[in-house]
Amino acid sequence: NAGVTQTPKFRVLKTGQSMTLLCAQDMNHEYMYWYRQDPGMGLRLIHYSVGEGTTAKGEVPDGYNVSRLKKQNFLLGLESAAPSQTSVYFCASRTIGTGETQYFGPGTRLLVL
Amino acid sequence: TQLLEQSPQFLSIQEGENLTVYCNSSSVFSSLQWYRQEPGEGPVLLVTVVTGGEVKKLKRLTFQFGDARKDSSLHITAAQPGDTGLYLCASGYSTLTFGKGTMLLVSP
Repeated sequence: NAGVTQTPKFRVLKTGQSMTLLCAQDMNHEYMYWYRQDPGMGLRLIHYSVGEGTTAKGEVPDGYNVSRLKKQNFLLGLESAAPSQTSVYFCASRTIGTGETQYFGPGTRLLVL
Repeated sequence: TQLLEQSPQFLSIQEGENLTVYCNSSSVFSSLQWYRQEPGEGPVLLVTVVTGGEVKKLKRLTFQFGDARKDSSLHITAAQPGDTGLYLCASGYSTLTFGKGTMLLVSP
């Protein structure tokens, strides 16, 4: 099993450009999450999904959109990138239940100039 | 949203030393998870504690959940350079709220 994979690993964007980050999991997990991690801020939830075809906003959703068309994939889109979106983005997934483990991907490093 | 406060923010020690890091909240935790994140990687779950007063051991790591379930601690005995990383506590149901973490640096 590959677990949780993220594409791309690193990207540089210019302000105003758009891009999509792809997360894939092969563990048949229902729940999937997108976080951003900034120095001194910890992990902050952007959007999440509790199942195929569903999405919900997290703590910092502005400037991002998501889609969960297939159970194994969770896409994070930036329609018009801003320098404030420079960050490391992590995807995670887990199965249903209280206290279940979240499995994280290796991260995508995004630099917006 | 439950706020989790972790202390200290940064800890730099020598190999062989003992250390304790803390996670506190003003409200009761339903359950609490500890994750470790190594540089350049995603967080990895170390343990989940559920019952007040619970103590769990993972080799040289000892996790304690406070009796009132408002605090937790992680104690590392005889730290090694391989213990270097960011230690995060987290709590929640369908979504997790993370603390800002304790960055641990263990030097040879």
